Amino acid sequence: DVKVTQSSRYLVKRTGEKVFLECVQDMDHENMFWYRQDPGLGLRLIYFSYDVKMKEKGDIPEGYSVSREKKERFSLILESASTNQTSMYLCASRSGGLGTGELFFGEGSRLTVL
Amino acid sequence: GDSVTQMEGPVTLSEEAFLTINCTYTATGYPSLFWYVQYPGEGLQLLLKATKADDKGSNKGFEATYRKETTSFHLEKGSVQVSDSAVYFCALSPGGTSYGKLTFGQGTILTVHP
Repeated sequence: DVKVTQSSRYLVKRTGEKVFLECVQDMDHENMFWYRQDPGLGLRLIYFSYDVKMKEKGDIPEGYSVSREKKERFSLILESASTNQTSMYLCASRSGGLGTGELFFGEGSRLTVL
Repeated sequence: GDSVTQMEGPVTLSEEAFLTINCTYTATGYPSLFWYVQYPGEGLQLLLKATKADDKGSNKGFEATYRKETTSFHLEKGSVQVSDSAVYFCALSPGGTSYGKLTFGQGTILTVHP
């Protein structure tokens, strides 16, 4: 079975802390994505990666960075967490190339910043 | 830019009722359209998709038809079950060189009562 695993389901951090959210996929997918999910706003794309060490900004990259050193792992980094970054974070992956391949999602990481 | 608008929720129905969740989109070119579902405590999973005008996607009794003339992709089910209670997201992929990134609507919460 296809698997996208996010390292933490629930995190509580303090304002100003550095936060790492990890995502690992076992499908050898080229493309990986980080979204945040907020009530009434749906999912908004933060960053995505189409290959190792390659990344592109999504719609709301401010305050975030990403790292993809290995094909299976895509990390989201909050350099200095703020309360407005309290949210559910979803990682997804898909096989590469053009076309309409399905996105596979992890279960999400709910981050609370105090 | 691309956008997706879903009907406001939450939607509350009795078991065996008919379901419609409206979705309209704005996009250039010829996007692919998707419905994703998120069950409580889980990540998103693909429910159905359509890749060109007049295509009908279907799965688990749900259907949606890609209507280019009305830029719509409404989700329907003839007889809902309690197990259909979830959050439903309409989404589009612009295709081309987008690497499959999706633009999502705001989500519609569906609750089905016995």
